[in-house]
Amino acid sequence: DAEITQSPRHKITETGRQVTLACHQTWNHNNMFWYRQDLGHGLRLIHYSYGVQDTNKGEVSDGYSVSRSNTEDLPLTLESAASSQTSVYFCASSEKKGTGELFFGEGSRLTVL
Amino acid sequence: KQEVTQIPAALSVPEGENLVLNCSFTDSAIYNLQWFRQDPGKGLTSLLLIQSSQREQTSGRLNASLDKSSGRSTLYIAASQPGDSATYLCAADNYGQNFVFGPGTRLSVLP
Repeated sequence: DAEITQSPRHKITETGRQVTLACHQTWNHNNMFWYRQDLGHGLRLIHYSYGVQDTNKGEVSDGYSVSRSNTEDLPLTLESAASSQTSVYFCASSEKKGTGELFFGEGSRLTVL
Repeated sequence: KQEVTQIPAALSVPEGENLVLNCSFTDSAIYNLQWFRQDPGKGLTSLLLIQSSQREQTSGRLNASLDKSSGRSTLYIAASQPGDSATYLCAADNYGQNFVFGPGTRLSVLP
């Protein structure tokens, strides 16, 4: 079965360190998304991609970057982790804009000390 | 900018009851509206996707309706079970934007 895999599932890091969260999907979907979920804020879009070499900023993109070198992967990088980036991060994918059901990974819980 | 709200924020019902969860959105120019379920510590599981040309979708004991003109969607759960306990989120997929999520309704079904 097709799926979205996120790694690591749990990570603890220190302020100022660079962190990369991996997302790999086997749906062969064009669209991929990164969200963060926080109490009181719900799900907020960080970055998204509509295809290889395409990346776009979402609502809360400051301090984050992504790159899309193939269809399957969209890694999320925190250049210099801050305590405000402690959150649960979800990767999602859909087939095409306007037609697609959105599918989610299991999430990555990041703690920045 | 699309805003999505969900009422109630939390709901507790006895097992066997039929219940309705509400989702409201401010911009009716949507492609789709999707309902999700989230269990504690887990990702979001897709329940139903309603395309803008549709009025409702059904899957088992779940029925979701969409009224674009009033900016509302409802998720009906028939004969609720303790296993239905979870947080239910709706999300609107807009022209020119991506999915915007509501804050969710936390459902507890008591045995």
